[in-house]
Amino acid sequence: LAKTTQPISMDSYEGQEVNITCSHNNIATNDYITWYQQFPSQGPRFIIQGYKTKVTNEVASLFIPADRKSSTLSLPRVSLSDTAVYYCLVGDAGNTPLVFGKGTRLSVIA
Amino acid sequence: DGGITQSPKYLFRKEGQNVTLSCEQNLNHDAMYWYRQDPGQGLRLIYYSQIVNDFQKGDIAEGYSVSREKKESFPLTVTSAQKNPTAFYLCASSPGREAPETQYFGPGTRLLVL
Repeated sequence: LAKTTQPISMDSYEGQEVNITCSHNNIATNDYITWYQQFPSQGPRFIIQGYKTKVTNEVASLFIPADRKSSTLSLPRVSLSDTAVYYCLVGDAGNTPLVFGKGTRLSVIA
Repeated sequence: DGGITQSPKYLFRKEGQNVTLSCEQNLNHDAMYWYRQDPGQGLRLIYYSQIVNDFQKGDIAEGYSVSREKKESFPLTVTSAQKNPTAFYLCASSPGREAPETQYFGPGTRLLVL
């Protein structure tokens, strides 16, 4: 499985755009990139998923360069409620379970 | 209302006791998973099942056991052999062998040792 590397923590003020970058140098051809969000004492929640270029939904955008060795989760105009841990995962079809690292702990400050 | 349910929300275990955590899903998903999360840490895979009557060990299976007799149910037993069971336990499911994989999580069970 491709291993991912992401910052341990980040701080941001309310209203700012937050970009969290994940490195996955060994990503395989069939692998997708998926991001989850986890609040304290809750299960992780799916945010966004992509294979290449750019994906956008009502929560976030995901930017993936052509070489796919990294990806960036972009959260527009964060609020205090976006304070959570964000996990970047890489994997293909469900033959082997996804591997959750320690994630990035985002703290949004008023 | 489809989703994954876990019970109980809190569970207390006495020394030498086996306890069972419940996980039920009505999403018609083939695959189910159990994770353990310790404070400030990521999720570690305990067991997973990709089809009924079949399951595989994850990274930290020692001291745990599972069964998958029904598609919608995947109970986890924490045995007395698990010497440090205090943790937050999360169950998840996914549609199965299709790309790309997306896991859906339950609310979790917090296990505490008395």
